[in-house]
Amino acid sequence: AQSVTQLDSHVSVSEGTPVLLRCNYSSSYSPSLFWYVQHPNKGLQLLLKYTSAATLVKGINGFEAEFKKSETSFHLTKPSAHMSDAAEYFCVVRPNSGYALNFGKGTSLLVTP
Amino acid sequence: EAGVTQFPSHSVIEKGQTVTLRCDPISGHDNLYWYRRVMGKEIKFLLHFVKESKQDESGMPNNRFLAERTGGTYSTLKVQPAELEDSGVYFCASSLGETQYFGPGTRLLVL
Repeated sequence: AQSVTQLDSHVSVSEGTPVLLRCNYSSSYSPSLFWYVQHPNKGLQLLLKYTSAATLVKGINGFEAEFKKSETSFHLTKPSAHMSDAAEYFCVVRPNSGYALNFGKGTSLLVTP
Repeated sequence: EAGVTQFPSHSVIEKGQTVTLRCDPISGHDNLYWYRRVMGKEIKFLLHFVKESKQDESGMPNNRFLAERTGGTYSTLKVQPAELEDSGVYFCASSLGETQYFGPGTRLLVL
């Protein structure tokens, strides 16, 4: 079964410093991987997706993620955190068969002034 | 273009009662999905419609849950009778292809 593991349940950064949210995946095949974000009292918003076209994927709001097959990782990064980035982030994999998404447990990002 | 909408945003009911959640997908999206997140757990897939047909309902927890999508437009998810462990956030998503677009969720509390 294809799954993802988010290595940190909580991450705290200072405004203006880099963000790194870690995700490892388990898959026998080349997976489709996504990062979604949920701001407080809002729905899930797609940040970016990887579908094998390019290993470095750029998303919205300055976020990007790099697919590393050798490390089975798909970490999310941003060079400089903003207060508005405070939210919960989900790493997600879509299995090769079917459409059901498998979510990681989520990482809560706290941005301090 | 309107996104996925869900109603109600919150629902508080007593154990044993019935609750019906509604999802309106993005116009033209044939695929509609239900997911839920119970407290402290990850978001889990419940089922997938293609138009009005259930394509995959492998995530439905038990027969107290009934999902419908009459006419292939909006969908309802009924829980009858509700139990305490049904509390959580129920998300709906829709898609044309691979990318799923999520609604804001319905927060269900069963007392």
